[in-house]
Amino acid sequence: TAGITQAPTSQILAAGRSMTLRCTQDMRHNAMYWYRQDLGLGLRLIHYSNTAGTTGKGEVPDGYSVSRANTDDFPLTLASAVPSQTSVYFCASSDTGGSGNQPQHFGDGTRLSIL
Amino acid sequence: GQNIDQPTEMTATEGAIVQINCTYQTSGFNGLFWYQQHAGEAPTFLSYNVLDGLEEKGRFSSFLSRSKGYSYLLLKELQMKDSASYLCAVRDSNYQLIWGAGTKLIIKP
Repeated sequence: TAGITQAPTSQILAAGRSMTLRCTQDMRHNAMYWYRQDLGLGLRLIHYSNTAGTTGKGEVPDGYSVSRANTDDFPLTLASAVPSQTSVYFCASSDTGGSGNQPQHFGDGTRLSIL
Repeated sequence: GQNIDQPTEMTATEGAIVQINCTYQTSGFNGLFWYQQHAGEAPTFLSYNVLDGLEEKGRFSSFLSRSKGYSYLLLKELQMKDSASYLCAVRDSNYQLIWGAGTKLIIKP
């Protein structure tokens, strides 16, 4: 079915290592987002992209980088992982840059543990 | 700062009605969303309000009062499958979503 695919589903990573979380959507949505979800906290925006070729920083961008080479893909990279980056990471997309009643659609998440 | 407040947890009985409240203080307002999230799964969209009043969608309704910075999600004829977390999110002046921590709803038979 159409939607957002995230990979891997889960990962255990040693501190100091790098990792790229993959996100692909087939809905031709312009806007894409990366969030982290931690117990007791709301979803927090890491980075976003309103259209291919552009990216922006969210609420908690430090330690993360993104790229948006095309419409479909929006990978998130941790250059040197730290234990505080242990979280569930969700990728989302929406039909516009955020205006109107277009909701964000979410992938199934990546559960990342940094040891 | 920006803030979204929801109760942490609520309990209700199968077949009953429950109201989940959300209050917000944000830099600007461009709509309010409610999402449902089952444990271990992705959030899924339930409703959207941008004007004051009630939006009804089957067993679920959502209400907004912009002057009070207040919304609620009303769930009727509760079913066991409604056990989930319900997330309130406000689109701010930068058109980004600010999320509440979610309300965990427990349904008892």
